[in-house]
Amino acid sequence: SQKIEQNSEALNIQEGKTATLTCNYTNYSPAYLQWYRQDPGRGPVFLLLIRENEKEKRKERLKVTFDTTLKQSLFHITASQPADSATYLCALDMGYNQGGKLIFGQGTELSVKP
Amino acid sequence: DGGITQSPKYLFRKEGQNVTLSCEQNLNHDAMYWYRQDPGQGLRLIYYSQIVNDFQKGDIAEGYSVSREKKESFPLTVTSAQKNPTAFYLCASSGTGPLYEQYFGPGTRLTVT
Repeated sequence: SQKIEQNSEALNIQEGKTATLTCNYTNYSPAYLQWYRQDPGRGPVFLLLIRENEKEKRKERLKVTFDTTLKQSLFHITASQPADSATYLCALDMGYNQGGKLIFGQGTELSVKP
Repeated sequence: DGGITQSPKYLFRKEGQNVTLSCEQNLNHDAMYWYRQDPGQGLRLIYYSQIVNDFQKGDIAEGYSVSREKKESFPLTVTSAQKNPTAFYLCASSGTGPLYEQYFGPGTRLTVT
């Protein structure tokens, strides 16, 4: 079955540093991969989508890479701020034939200290 | 103001009772989804629907039922057959096909005692 794993431990970093979160997957080659942010007690919010033929995607202070050989995506937040503290979820996009289903990782909790 | 709403925010039930969670969207999305989230875990798909009057089981459908009679609404019933119903339930909607992100509601926290 499909397996998707993110950094199992919480990530604590200092304000201004770059946070790097890892998403690894097995047994599937997704055409797309999505990243979401989730604050405590709330629904996830979409951040970025990257296609298999895109090595890198950027949006403001966010950068996502997608290495289909390593079966890995990295999510970077540069110049991190305490407001970036949240849980970040990666999700494999199963594609149209699977009804647009997403398979989510368990999430990585990020804490940015001032 | 477009969005997706879930009600209620918190729900308490006694064991053995069925309970229905509401999900409504005014984003004109064809696809809707129900997920369950347990502490420290990711989202697990319960049911999804790509079009009115049609829906498919997700990875953990046992003990749950849904209906999709209107495009805007996708209610989830947690039946007494669900062995561990206490969880955070999230509803989402999206356009149909790949490259569409999912929009999530605020969630319903169900506690069954």
